[in-house]
Amino acid sequence: DSQMTQTPSTLSASVGDTVTLTCRSRERIDKWLAWYQVKPGKAPKLLIYMASHLETGVSSRFSGSGSGTDYFLTISSLQPDDSATYYCQQYDSYPYSFGPGTKLE
Amino acid sequence: QVELQQWGAGLLKPSETLSLICGVHGATVSNFYWSWIRQVPGRGPEWIGEVDPTGNSYYKPSPRVAIFTNTAANQITLQMTSVTSADTGVYYCARHRRAGFLRDALDLWGRGTTVTVSS
Repeated sequence: DSQMTQTPSTLSASVGDTVTLTCRSRERIDKWLAWYQVKPGKAPKLLIYMASHLETGVSSRFSGSGSGTDYFLTISSLQPDDSATYYCQQYDSYPYSFGPGTKLE
Repeated sequence: QVELQQWGAGLLKPSETLSLICGVHGATVSNFYWSWIRQVPGRGPEWIGEVDPTGNSYYKPSPRVAIFTNTAANQITLQMTSVTSADTGVYYCARHRRAGFLRDALDLWGRGTTVTVSS
């Protein structure tokens, strides 16, 4: 299976900053990658699918990129509401797997 | 607007069977693939398995798991037998984004059900 890693595990940033989160798979996953935002007590929210496609209704401040084994989530003009944990997930091969997350503070 | 409501027993003893239901409002269960995911404290989410639009488990890594649908009630059920403390966590149901597509991101999630396994 394709194990996922994410860096950094925690990230502190300020309002207005631009940050980039990294997700790496052990094998090539050919852009079958999604990014999710998770806040305590709330349903996880899909942000990006197929590595770079913005989900309907998601702010354009979120963008995804990458290919092969390395993928990135960039959040521009950080807002206080962006505080959350962000997970990547590969759905290229079974079993689908998630990264350990990046907590954005 | 599509909403997923989850319910089920939150406290189990070791060796019991976990049973969770995900009620779907605003979408038809038989049009989509559905997955169950769990999150153990301190770790990333773990995908448990999925069910296809006909209501059959499509793929599930663990033989302890059964996932099926009730189309009349528009619900998806997760059952996990012989639970241990390692099964403690928050359990989510989620929809695959496009109708009829298996290989897809999960666009709608329930709020999660906390399950604790303790003697």
